[in-house]
Amino acid sequence: DTEVTQTPKHLVMGMTNKKSLKCEQHMGHRAMYWYKQKAKKPPELMFVYSYEKLSINESVPSRFSPECPNSSLLNLHLHALQPEDSALYLCASSEGRMNEQFFGPGTRLTVL
Amino acid sequence: GIQVEQSPPDLILQEGANSTLRCNFSDSVNNLQWFHQNPWGQLINLFYIPSGTKQNGRLSATTVATERYSLLYISSSQTTDSGVYFCAVVGVGNQFYFGTGTSLTVIP
Repeated sequence: DTEVTQTPKHLVMGMTNKKSLKCEQHMGHRAMYWYKQKAKKPPELMFVYSYEKLSINESVPSRFSPECPNSSLLNLHLHALQPEDSALYLCASSEGRMNEQFFGPGTRLTVL
Repeated sequence: GIQVEQSPPDLILQEGANSTLRCNFSDSVNNLQWFHQNPWGQLINLFYIPSGTKQNGRLSATTVATERYSLLYISSSQTTDSGVYFCAVVGVGNQFYFGTGTSLTVIP
């Protein structure tokens, strides 16, 4: 099973809302990632978790807060977002940081 | 960080035609992947190819790590091949860098 799942598929939220994106994998991978992708651009790395510890935070604003409750789950908590945060948010996992990454289908986020 | 440039940026093909997509990277890499992003945004793994040549059906890929490039070949293209093709590399320090992408449109 090489599947990474993400929920929800679509999310519309106001600038004062708090919401969370969820990602799950059951491949036994120990590295998990959040990416942000704007239209017609490549994905940009936001966060990397390795063995459930945050190892990379690519200078992401604090209104994005990642959480890794266990080795299979990755959350991204959203609060006080701006309209420019509207994008496709992709989760990925890999066996280790150097290994092949597998991506989920993404959550398409719109901030009004 | 590593610069990853893909060419061409856009490509329009007639169904049945062949094409070659190129990925150049600016430094040594530990691995390289090719992805196809479909119109719904899903990134589909095509190849994990740090070096050498691999084939999967109508697609094949070659990476020449010493010369810092990789090629993706698509033969007998189909409309379902349309989308954006990304290469991505892992550099020293295990950072993952995406290329600039090639947008492919296959017309019937």
